[in-house]
Amino acid sequence: DGGITQSPKYLFRKEGQNVTLSCEQNLNHDAMYWYRQDPGQGLRLIYYSQIVNDFQKGDIAEGYSVSREKKESFPLTVTSAQKNPTAFYLCASSLGGQETQYFGPGTRLLVL
Amino acid sequence: KNQVEQSPQSLIILEGKNCTLQCNYTVSPFSNLRWYKQDTGRGPVSLTIMTFSENTKSNGRYTATLDADTKQSSLHITASQLSDSASYICVVREEAAGNKLTFGGGTRVLVKP
Repeated sequence: DGGITQSPKYLFRKEGQNVTLSCEQNLNHDAMYWYRQDPGQGLRLIYYSQIVNDFQKGDIAEGYSVSREKKESFPLTVTSAQKNPTAFYLCASSLGGQETQYFGPGTRLLVL
Repeated sequence: KNQVEQSPQSLIILEGKNCTLQCNYTVSPFSNLRWYKQDTGRGPVSLTIMTFSENTKSNGRYTATLDADTKQSSLHITASQLSDSASYICVVREEAAGNKLTFGGGTRVLVKP
């Protein structure tokens, strides 16, 4: 069963805590992306990676970090420096940088 | 700044009726425009994609149109079903600048029986 998965579905963060969101794909896609979705707003790009061991900042990278040690995995860490982390986080992947992006089911992050 | 504006923000329609969603964009140069459907609490799923040379594309009961001169697109839903209740997102890809995607804020559609 091929696809892109995200976990957990819901995540709660305490103030000052770092949390990591998981994103895995078995589509053999080279490119992976992280987006943040807030109510009524368009998706905003946090980070993207075109190839293993390489990633680039998107439009709103401050307070976030990523790694791309394996082709199929692109975890996102929301650090304590991100002061407004409550949002729906979407991971996507594509065969190449210009190809169709396929989205995971998302992780909703809430602050306690 | 490149923008993608969608209207209306939300609408309610009765099952079986048709509706049309609008998307205006300022992205230039333009590579392609895609409509996504996003069910509540899920990731977006691609419905249609059009390049600047295409002015209509259908996917079942969904028909997208594109006017590259006026930078407008519409998504028409025919004979709506309860399962059409979702957010519909217009996404425009730039031809340059790393092929960046600009997302609209979406239109939330609620189909009532």
